[in-house]
Amino acid sequence: DTEVTQTPKHLVMGMTNKKSLKCEQHMGHRAMYWYKQKAKKPPELMFVYSYEKLSINESVPSRFSPECPNSSLLNLHLHALQPEDSALYLCASSPDPGQGGEKLFFGSGTQLSVL
Amino acid sequence: SQQGEEDPQALSIQEGENATMNCSYKTSINNLQWYRQNSGRGLVHLILIRSNEREKHSGRLRVTLDTSKKSSSLLITASRAADTASYFCAPGDGGNQFYFGTGTSLTVIP
Repeated sequence: DTEVTQTPKHLVMGMTNKKSLKCEQHMGHRAMYWYKQKAKKPPELMFVYSYEKLSINESVPSRFSPECPNSSLLNLHLHALQPEDSALYLCASSPDPGQGGEKLFFGSGTQLSVL
Repeated sequence: SQQGEEDPQALSIQEGENATMNCSYKTSINNLQWYRQNSGRGLVHLILIRSNEREKHSGRLRVTLDTSKKSSSLLITASRAADTASYFCAPGDGGNQFYFGTGTSLTVIP
């Protein structure tokens, strides 16, 4: 299984809602990532988990809350978002660097619209 | 953060022609990767070149790396309509942080 699965594919939420994005991989990868991508822009790194611990937070607002319940799962909890947070949210995973693991495997993304 | 900058921003060619896009970066790297993204989808890894390599091939792809100029190029030969996508470089320092360049939008006209 070489897939990263993201759910849901599309999400519409109001500014007062709480929702979660989910990401799953069964490749035994020990690093998992969240990226945010606005239209016609490159993906922007948000968070990195390494061995289930948060290792990088790119100064992301606290209305985005990541969680890594185990080595296969990554969640992104959303609360009180703003319309400008509307974007494609991409999850990725990679084997641990040092084992030839620099290659990223991406999911298809969740297209989020905040109304 | 290590981020690349691609040029051109957009490229339009006829099917069968070659497409070349370039990536420049600012600091020392351990490797540099290229990814493709079809509209609204996730990125797909194309090729990785390490800092001690000068050229690498994979099918119709050829990547070069010039660490003295801090630049890399991606050549797609005999392009096809299915190659229409955005292409991003990602200079890497060997760690867990991957930052993508500004991207080149390639359109291959059938």
